[in-house]
Amino acid sequence: DVKVTQSSRYLVKRTGEKVFLECVQDMDHENMFWYRQDPGLGLRLIYFSYDVKMKEKGDIPEGYSVSREKKERFSLILESASTNQTSMYLCASSPQGTTDTQYFGPGTRLTVL
Amino acid sequence: DQQVKQNSPSLSVQEGRISILNCDYTNSMFDYFLWYKKYPAEGPTFLISISSIKDKNEDGRFTVFLNKSAKHLSLHIVPSQPGDSAVYFCAASATGGADGLTFGKGTHLIIQP
Repeated sequence: DVKVTQSSRYLVKRTGEKVFLECVQDMDHENMFWYRQDPGLGLRLIYFSYDVKMKEKGDIPEGYSVSREKKERFSLILESASTNQTSMYLCASSPQGTTDTQYFGPGTRLTVL
Repeated sequence: DQQVKQNSPSLSVQEGRISILNCDYTNSMFDYFLWYKKYPAEGPTFLISISSIKDKNEDGRFTVFLNKSAKHLSLHIVPSQPGDSAVYFCAASATGGADGLTFGKGTHLIIQP
């Protein structure tokens, strides 16, 4: 059974803190993605990765970075959290090929105070 | 510029009736389309997909229709059930495209008893 897990369901951080969001998938998928979901804006792609140590910017990469040291793990990093980064963060993975279905984790609700 | 548009932020349907969710796209390179369902505080789950070589795909109560000339797709749910109340996202991708899926902003479907 397909499984994508995210390290935290809810997280509260202060402005200026460095924040790590972890995502792990157990399907041996090549592709991994980070999105944020905001009311009225849908899902917006932050970063994605097609292979280990590989990363590509999505639509809204500003203020974020990522790390993919192992195939199963894709981390999203907020170098200096700001209040406008309060959001629901969703990780997804898919097998090789851009038309393949993406499988999502449960999401992390991040609040930056 | 929004390449995938869901123009109805919300839709209310009576239980037992048909729910029709609409999606329009502008990128003629898109050739694979998906619908995701999302409950609050959970990640999106894949519902149904359709390739551009087809104009209809059916899975139980769910049917997706694709009109390539109009760049329009729709999701039909019949009969609608209370558990169908959720946000539905339309997504699209292009074979050989660089950045995976492009999502619409979502439609909140409310099934009334």
